[in-house]
Amino acid sequence: DQQVKQNSPSLSVQEGRISILNCDYTNSMFDYFLWYKKYPAEGPTFLISISSIKDKNEDGRFTVFLNKSAKHLSLHIVPSQPGDSAVYFCAASLMNRDDKIIFGKGTRLHILP
Amino acid sequence: DGGITQSPKYLFRKEGQNVTLSCEQNLNHDAMYWYRQDPGQGLRLIYYSQIVNDFQKGDIAEGYSVSREKKESFPLTVTSAQKNPTAFYLCASSTPRELFFGEGSRLTVL
Repeated sequence: DQQVKQNSPSLSVQEGRISILNCDYTNSMFDYFLWYKKYPAEGPTFLISISSIKDKNEDGRFTVFLNKSAKHLSLHIVPSQPGDSAVYFCAASLMNRDDKIIFGKGTRLHILP
Repeated sequence: DGGITQSPKYLFRKEGQNVTLSCEQNLNHDAMYWYRQDPGQGLRLIYYSQIVNDFQKGDIAEGYSVSREKKESFPLTVTSAQKNPTAFYLCASSTPRELFFGEGSRLTVL
């Protein structure tokens, strides 16, 4: 039973346009959400996060939006660049739990020239 | 430089052999983790450790073993009991709010 779902295995976006990666979760107790970016044969690297008390967090070209009522978050990348081609993992965690961070299956983003 | 070091980066094993993947961190983190990634599966947790000399099974612990004798080190042994060991393995350590990952080790069983 997947608690964090990324329903699009892959996404292709033209260079310079906006990339939107989506993530849904089932556990309303999650209170912290993260996005990781992963290149082939490398470990994931942290990209951006958002606490459940916010609905938006922006860092340069990356913005994460959180819709708690819909249990949905999205990562926007604008403008998309060739180096953004990677797999993006959405992750969620619970406050004050010694529990693990739960990851989605990832979405592969292709930036087209 | 602070970080997590995994070795080896690539490893080949014959069926029936145990193999140990190394993970060392100098971030002074208490918590460490081992994940496995397979195509289309995302990251799945194998084992995690919150403090020295203590560790817990994750979602797919069968066929794996770990030890945590030092804060800096969390080696993973892939035993012959693991039915499908060919995968990309990721070690991580964490603060309460964020995971830091190593570069990964790719294990191929011949």
